[in-house]
Amino acid sequence: AQSVTQLGSHVSVSEGALVLLRCNYSSSVPPYLFWYVQYPNQGLQLLLKYTSAATLVKGINGFEAEFKKSETSFHLTKPSAHMSDAAEYFCAVRSFSGNTPLVFGKGTRLSVIA
Amino acid sequence: GAVVSQHPSRVICKSGTSVKIECRSLDFQATTMFWYRQFPKQSLMLMATSNEGSKATYEQGVEKDKFLINHASLTLSTLTVTSAHPEDSSFYICSASGPSGGAFFGQGTRLTVV
Repeated sequence: AQSVTQLGSHVSVSEGALVLLRCNYSSSVPPYLFWYVQYPNQGLQLLLKYTSAATLVKGINGFEAEFKKSETSFHLTKPSAHMSDAAEYFCAVRSFSGNTPLVFGKGTRLSVIA
Repeated sequence: GAVVSQHPSRVICKSGTSVKIECRSLDFQATTMFWYRQFPKQSLMLMATSNEGSKATYEQGVEKDKFLINHASLTLSTLTVTSAHPEDSSFYICSASGPSGGAFFGQGTRLTVV
């Protein structure tokens, strides 16, 4: 079974400050890991994904995440927060092989303060 | 990148009627699609796995007769909410496994049953 834990349902940062959203996963098989962003009443937009290549994954909008197997973590970071980054962020996991669904974390709401 | 189109984006229907939601993979073939449901301020919960040419696989607790899924082609899956009731009001999102192991999501459908 696979699962994802997002630490902190709500994170608030100042504009220009570092963004750090935490995600830990549990998987009995090599995982694919994803970060998605969701704006109100919209679908999910893929920020980045880890698929067993480089452990440091760069995504869109300046976000990146590092896969750390020893810590079973895949934290999302951005050096400098922008007001437009305020949204809901979801970490998700699925197994390497086959057409399997994603298992989502509960989500973290990011607020950016001017 | 791979695109998944979901239609309609919003629908309001009367209690007791049925609503069909379409999910299309526009530039790739998807033998498997997934349907999720998202309640306000909550994460995405997998409802069912839609397999082209065969019956869908439903998650525990999801009523098969209420949420009819048809995956008649490699690019189209439909979810029909039958005899809708106010408690079926929710945000429904489909996804498909695309190239390079990615999981691509539709824009979501906001269903309101009045």
